[in-house]
Amino acid sequence: GAGVSQSPSNKVTEKGKDVELRCDPISGHTALYWYRQSLGQGLEFLIYFQGNSAPDKSGLPSDRFSAERTGGSVSTLTIQRTQQEDSAVYLCASSVTSGNEQYFGPGTRLTVT
Amino acid sequence: GQQLNQSPQSMFIQEGEDVSMNCTSSSIFNTWLWYKQEPGEGPVLLIALYKAGELTSNGRLTAQFGITRKDSFLNISASIPSDVGIYFCAGQLVGYSTLTFGKGTMLLVSP
Repeated sequence: GAGVSQSPSNKVTEKGKDVELRCDPISGHTALYWYRQSLGQGLEFLIYFQGNSAPDKSGLPSDRFSAERTGGSVSTLTIQRTQQEDSAVYLCASSVTSGNEQYFGPGTRLTVT
Repeated sequence: GQQLNQSPQSMFIQEGEDVSMNCTSSSIFNTWLWYKQEPGEGPVLLIALYKAGELTSNGRLTAQFGITRKDSFLNISASIPSDVGIYFCAGQLVGYSTLTFGKGTMLLVSP
């Protein structure tokens, strides 16, 4: 079946602009996660959605970052007033339930110039 | 937050050699997962472990859930060039819903 998809695959934006990154999880997966991966680094947790519960936003680095998950499926990560340090690969993952095996999308490479 | 200590940070080996990497923590985990990430792609799940002492294989890969529930290792036997990538361990801490990731082991295999 279809895996996790993300769009766009690459995004170049100017400093100060807002960007939206999209994630389509695997159908039927109730949990969805966003991570950030800087060059040569591990995965930094950003935010987690589980069903209709309030999201766990504990990993968001600043109030410029926000995410929504509509209808328990597609999620959008928004970064407002982008800064150069926001440049990274943003990965989305989904799992059947929380804490279970997470399946990752290919990521969106964000470059802020 | 909680940390996983993954080692080694990188390995450069000859084709055909066996490889071992591990993750340790001072905390107790319910689940251990091992992922491989190739350039430009997302991590791909290799092996999932759910019980202390569990030993699971996936082809030439073998992983174990440590008996103390604080560590896990991944072995790759008879390495081949396509094993090149970054291997991440991830664990679910007791009482948490999210995974904690190690910083990764970069594996390079010389033909």
